[in-house]
Amino acid sequence: DAGITQSPRHKVTETGTPVTLRCHQTENHRYMYWYRQDPGHGLRLIHYSYGVKDTDKGEVSDGYSVSRSKTEDFLLTLESATSSQTSVYFCAILPGQGYEQYFGPGTRLTVT
Amino acid sequence: AQSVTQLDSQVPVFEEAPVELRCNYSSSVSVYLFWYVQYPNQGLQLLLKYLSGSTLVKGINGFEAEFNKSQTSFHLRKPSVHISDTAEYFCAVVGNTPLVFGKGTRLSVIA
Repeated sequence: DAGITQSPRHKVTETGTPVTLRCHQTENHRYMYWYRQDPGHGLRLIHYSYGVKDTDKGEVSDGYSVSRSKTEDFLLTLESATSSQTSVYFCAILPGQGYEQYFGPGTRLTVT
Repeated sequence: AQSVTQLDSQVPVFEEAPVELRCNYSSSVSVYLFWYVQYPNQGLQLLLKYLSGSTLVKGINGFEAEFNKSQTSFHLRKPSVHISDTAEYFCAVVGNTPLVFGKGTRLSVIA
C-alpha cells in the first residue's frame, strides 16, 4: 500500500461542467503524477508535479489543469468536461529513493 | 524522449504453458525499465524493474524479464502460467522524461 487515495472513485457528470479529482498521499513524496487510461492507449501522462506549486505538462494536457498547494494533495481539474475526457484517471507518486512509480486505485469518470 | 512498443495487444495461452510478452523501447539516453500488472478493475502493481546490474530480473508471482540493450528489448516471461495471471501487462520506461507506458498486452489464461 503506497498510501495513495483518490476521490471520488466514480463520477458521472454532464458535458460542460467543471470537475475536480483529488489525489492524496500520506508520505510527503515530492513527485506526483496524473495519468489517464483508455483502451488501446495504455496510460498517458496528463500533468505532473515536482513540488508545491511546481507543475509541468505531460503528453495529453489539453483541457486539464492541476494545482498543488500542499505536499500531500494534487488536484486535477477539467474546466469544462467533454465526452472525450471519459476515462479512468490514475494518480501516482515517486518515492524519493526509487525510480518506479506507485499508483492509486483510480477514478472512473464518465462525461455524458 | 523515450517510447515503448508492446508488440502484442492480446496473448491467449493455456494454463501451465509458458508465456512471453514482448516489449521494445526507443531512447537516446540510458533508461530504467519496468513491468506493471493490472488485474481486472484494479490499479497498477509493479511486477519487476531493471535499473542496473544483472540483465535478468525476477519479479513477483514467478515472472522474470531480460534486458537486452543491443536489441532494445525487455521481454517478460513466465515458465508456467496460472488462471490468476489473467490481467493486462504494461511495459514502461523512464530516461530523461517521466515514465512512458506501452499500450498494454492483455494476457488471457485458458483452463
